[in-house]
Parts: sequence; structure tokens; C-alpha cells
Amino acid sequence: DAGVIQSPRHEVTEMGQEVTLRCKPISGHNSLFWYRQTMMRGLELLIYFNNNVPIDDSGMPEDRFSAKMPNASFSTLKIQPSEPRDSAVYFCASAWGGAQETQYFGPGTRLLVL
Amino acid sequence: GESVGLHLPTLSVQEGDNSIINCAYSNSASDYFIWYKQESGKGPQFIIDIRSNMDKRQGQRVTVLLNKTVKHLSLQIAATQPGDSAVYFCAESNGDTGKLIFGQGTTLQVKP
Repeated sequence: DAGVIQSPRHEVTEMGQEVTLRCKPISGHNSLFWYRQTMMRGLELLIYFNNNVPIDDSGMPEDRFSAKMPNASFSTLKIQPSEPRDSAVYFCASAWGGAQETQYFGPGTRLLVL
Repeated sequence: GESVGLHLPTLSVQEGDNSIINCAYSNSASDYFIWYKQESGKGPQFIIDIRSNMDKRQGQRVTVLLNKTVKHLSLQIAATQPGDSAVYFCAESNGDTGKLIFGQGTTLQVKP
């Protein structure tokens, strides 16, 4: 079975540009999570969807970040406008059930904002 | 506030020895704990989990111990292999929010 799929794997952009990260969860999973990983702050949950509905977005840094899940097999995380401090690795994870079920992580998108 | 911390940032062991990675948590309401392994350039990989109604759980070459009295979690890896070299994260969550809070990670280095 395919795991969580993320695209692009690497993204380099200039400050002020819009960035869209994409995620396809494992088929059949009904929970989806976006995380950000940096050296300074470690792994942080940004937002959590259950059955395509955002349940907890308290980790979204600010209004420049938005996430959508239009259907069970696709989610996007958008940053507009991007800033150098957004540089990080962004992971998507999915699970069957809620946040306290095993979460399977994708390979991540490494974002560099110049 | 909630926090999860690790006692040792780097652990170096000889191949074949057993490894023990420790984790302290501060939220006594946490009732679910997970260990993840992250290799360079990859996403975290689930190793083993444990719920608060248990104090020990075993997997293949791994054992997780939970001591709720002192709010301590440990991961034991038997017969450590070079492929075990990675960063290991513990994470906790509670039933109220469900969200996972990750520790900072411990690097495990396996010497041949």
C-alpha cells in the first residue's frame, strides 16, 4: 500500500510568494495532520482534520497560513505571503480514527524561503 | 504548560548492546504515548505506543515502559543494530485535545 504522499518534496521560493504544499493521506484514513519541523521548535502540530473537517487549528502560526481538505484523499497547506522564518520541513500524517490513533507520516516537504 | 523532554540529546551504543532512551513528561492528564523514529531526510516512523492503563508494552526488539508515578517513559531497544541509528521522539497526548506533543528528540548512534 502507498503511504502518505506529499508534494513537492523540495520547494525554494522568494519571500512574498505563495507556497502550496499538497498531501494525499493513506486510503481509508479519516484523520489528517499537518506538522512543521524546525531545529529550534522541533515537531509542532499545525492543524488536524477529521472526516475532512478542521478539528484543531490552534497551531497555525498566523493568518498567512491556511489549510483545506476538500475531500478524503487530498489536503493543501498554503502560505501567503511566505517569509524566511517559514523555512522548515512540513509533514503530513494520516490516521484511522482520531488523534490518539497511530499517525503515519509522509516524507515531508522541505521549504526554503529566501 | 505541557511539555515533553528527553534526558539525553545523544546516546552512543555499541552494536549488539541494548539501548535505553528516556523521556519525561509533565502533563499528568496525558493518557497516550508514542515513540517515533526519524532517519535523516525522512518522516517520523511509528515504533510503538502505550496507553496509560498499561505500564509495559513489547514489540519486535522494542519495549516501552511507562511510569505514571514519576511521569517517565522509556524505550528499550534490544540488540541494537546500525539500522537503529536515528533520532527518536517521544510524544504524548491527552483525551481532551488529542493532539500529539513531541519531545525534542534523542539521537541514537550505533557504533560497529
